[in-house]
Amino acid sequence: QKEVEQNSGPLSVPEGAIASLNCTYSDRGSQSFFWYRQYSGKSPELIMFIYSNGDKEDGRFTAQLNKASQYVSLLIRDSQPSDSATYLCAVKRDSGAGSYQLTFGKGTKLSVIP
Amino acid sequence: EAGVVQSPRYKIIEKKQPVAFWCNPISGHNTLYWYLQNLGQGPELLIRYENEEAVDDSQLPKDRFSAERLKGVDSTLKIQPAELGDSAVYLCASSLGPGQGVYEQYFGPGTRLTVT
Repeated sequence: QKEVEQNSGPLSVPEGAIASLNCTYSDRGSQSFFWYRQYSGKSPELIMFIYSNGDKEDGRFTAQLNKASQYVSLLIRDSQPSDSATYLCAVKRDSGAGSYQLTFGKGTKLSVIP
Repeated sequence: EAGVVQSPRYKIIEKKQPVAFWCNPISGHNTLYWYLQNLGQGPELLIRYENEEAVDDSQLPKDRFSAERLKGVDSTLKIQPAELGDSAVYLCASSLGPGQGVYEQYFGPGTRLTVT
């Protein structure tokens, strides 16, 4: 079983709609969750992180975490063509003494149609 | 502030040849990561340094891959000899050290390696 699972997509949404990106993880000891955006041919850039159950909002982006269900999602409101990219979910688990493991999913490709 | 710098950006080599990649992290970032990213996949960690110490190299294929970060700043990743399956993008990232809050990683532009 993959440690971090994402639907590879592509996920197509019309401009102005809400895009919903989902990620599940297998390790219940995971503590921190990150969403990265990666444009084609570019490197990943962090857009949000979340530690606690519930919602965290930042502009048009909302991250949602449900540790009981081992599920984290990213909502993009008022989607724009410039949001078209691959979105990577990353999950961090501390191993103690400053050691940790950060695991990335394969990413979901989002396409926002004008 | 300059971001993470990597060179070269592209490299084409024949199999069995050696290759080296260089990374200079953001100033003040004690943690440095080397990742490998295949097309359609997420980044996979090869090695993580805290200052000059390699603290996680469990995924580094040590028979052909080596890395160093001698002065705790810039780092070099080497492959010798390269194989066809090594063709990928090699990403370097850096972050503030442990205990300094969010483990936000900043990625460099990557080196796209093609082994023929």
